[in-house]
Amino acid sequence: EIVLTQSPGTLSLSPGERATLSCRASQSITSRYLAWYQQRPGQAPRLLMYGVFNRATGIPDRFSGSGSGTDFTLTISRLEPEDFAVYYCQQYDKSPRSFGQGTKVEIK
Amino acid sequence: EVQLLESGGGLVQPGGSLRLSCAASGFTFSSYAMSWVRQAPGKGLEWVSSIGDSGSPTYYADSVRGRFTLSRDNSKNTLYLQMNSLSAEDTAIYYCAKRGTVPVEEYWGQGTLVTVSS
Repeated sequence: EIVLTQSPGTLSLSPGERATLSCRASQSITSRYLAWYQQRPGQAPRLLMYGVFNRATGIPDRFSGSGSGTDFTLTISRLEPEDFAVYYCQQYDKSPRSFGQGTKVEIK
Repeated sequence: EVQLLESGGGLVQPGGSLRLSCAASGFTFSSYAMSWVRQAPGKGLEWVSSIGDSGSPTYYADSVRGRFTLSRDNSKNTLYLQMNSLSAEDTAIYYCAKRGTVPVEEYWGQGTLVTVSS
């Protein structure tokens, strides 16, 4: 099973700042099958990115994804109030698909 | 608009059974694979099971294989998760999710809470 490790566990930032979230895989994700989800408090997860750098429908362009192999990054260029949430990466390259443990982006 | 409405959660004793349902609307249900993902209280996401658009193949996480059975009724636009031999470790919010043409969990329901406790 591919283990995904996200860092940092918590990111304390102010609105307007840039957020950089990391997701490291225990083995190479060869087909760029890496997705990111956002979960706001009390809500279901929402798909943000798939295939590393493709934004899902309706996701604003302040969200971007990058990376390859074992190291992936989600960047939020300028934090809006609604972006303070927990973010999970997911690999769907190998079965069983797996999620990282999450990074919480909180208001500083 | 895609809508996924889970039901069937509740309190069950250890060793008991429960069947979750997910009623889908707003898309051609029979054309898409579906998944269940769960989240234990205060914890992260765990993929549980997936099913192909016609009812096969089915896939299960090791933690539930042999105890959970995933099925679907395309005539009723409904997904089912039969859960047997439940233990406290199965306590979680269970989310139903629609896969897209890209095999990710594209849309999610609001979840149904399953609590296993005596």
